[in-house]
Amino acid sequence: EDQVTQSPEALRLQEGESSSLNCSYTVSGLRGLFWYRQDPGKGPEFLFTLYSAGEEKEKERLKATLTKKESFLHITAPKPEDSATYLCAARMDSSYKLIFGSGTRLLVRP
Amino acid sequence: GAVVSQHPSWVICKSGTSVKIECRSLDFQATTMFWYRQFPKQSLMLMATSNEGSKATYEQGVEKDKFLINHASLTLSTLTVTSAHPEDSSFYICSAGHRQPNQPQHFGDGTRLSIL
Repeated sequence: EDQVTQSPEALRLQEGESSSLNCSYTVSGLRGLFWYRQDPGKGPEFLFTLYSAGEEKEKERLKATLTKKESFLHITAPKPEDSATYLCAARMDSSYKLIFGSGTRLLVRP
Repeated sequence: GAVVSQHPSWVICKSGTSVKIECRSLDFQATTMFWYRQFPKQSLMLMATSNEGSKATYEQGVEKDKFLINHASLTLSTLTVTSAHPEDSSFYICSAGHRQPNQPQHFGDGTRLSIL
């Protein structure tokens, strides 16, 4: 069964304390691995797409990496404004559908 | 990034009322639009996929007659919750996809639906 699992469910960090979020996937024929940020009461905001193992992408304090079984979202020296729920989603081959993980709720304290 | 507008952002109505939610792709032609439902502190659950000019494809367990989807143009899809009841209260989010499947979906800001 195609599945996306994120961990941890929730993460509390002090400002400046770097960490990583995990996204494990079992999807037949991965067509893309997507990371989104969601603020309360809002729709998900697109962050990154990764297509093949070994690929990395960066944006400000965030860096996403991809292996054949999982993806990591590394947050370097986070700030309170990075607090949000981070969602990963996988797209299978020959399908437009996204399979979402349950998300990681990140809280960065000043 | 691409802009997807969803309206209304919130609605409160009485049980038995039908509610229409609009999703517009403002700066690109969306051949495919998706409708999701999200419960508090849970992830997005895909309800249906709609392609412009054709019938929507519903996920297992989603009632077609309860959740009517129309995708009449490349920039507009609508979700109508018919005869809504309190258990239909939720956060509904739409997304729009490009012609190229490798491109990301872009999401609207959601509609908070509360049925009294």
